[in-house]
Amino acid sequence: KAGVTQTPRYLIKTRGQQVTLSCSPISGHRSVSWYQQTPGQGLQFLFEYFSETQRNKGNFPGRFSGRQFSNSRSEMNVSTLELGDSALYLCASGTESSTDTQYFGPGTRLTVL
Amino acid sequence: AQKVTQAQTEISVVEKEDVTLDCVYETRDTTYYLFWYKQPPSGELVFLIRRNSFDEQNEISGRYSWNFQKSTSSFNFTITASQVVDSAVYFCALSEAETDSWGKLQFGAGTQVVVTP
Repeated sequence: KAGVTQTPRYLIKTRGQQVTLSCSPISGHRSVSWYQQTPGQGLQFLFEYFSETQRNKGNFPGRFSGRQFSNSRSEMNVSTLELGDSALYLCASGTESSTDTQYFGPGTRLTVL
Repeated sequence: AQKVTQAQTEISVVEKEDVTLDCVYETRDTTYYLFWYKQPPSGELVFLIRRNSFDEQNEISGRYSWNFQKSTSSFNFTITASQVVDSAVYFCALSEAETDSWGKLQFGAGTQVVVTP
């Protein structure tokens, strides 16, 4: 069974631009969660989607948004990029339970110049 | 407030030594889950083990073992006979079974393990 895939793997943007990251979960998984990893703040939860609905959201500004499609694929968007948005963005997929094991993708490394 | 604390920033060992990683968590839930993940230099978080709050039985899986003690809110992880390929950052994570915690893992700061030949 294929794992979680994320595209692109690397991205360079400039301040003020916007970016869209994509995540395809493991086949049969309906939950997709997004995390931001930075050296200063560590791993932080962004949001989780299940059956095209956002179920939970972390403490991030409204510039961070996401959505999920009917095939469970998810996209994350960051508008008006700031230097501090440079990070590794990890996507995880799970089945249905809030406490199910989440399996992570390889991440998208975003650099904002 | 930090709910998962990994006090060890970095541990360096020589191959074949055992490595024990400490994790202390904080929660008011009676039902919760604890996880250990490994992050090699490639960046992907690799799932290692999972334990629920109702099962304090400690187990061994290959070279991995864990010690879950609710009385001290600790969930320690041991790698036996370490190998160079074990070099990575190890994260302890907590998932609380509240309805507003869907899909939310709360991670510790991570412990860098360096295994030298």
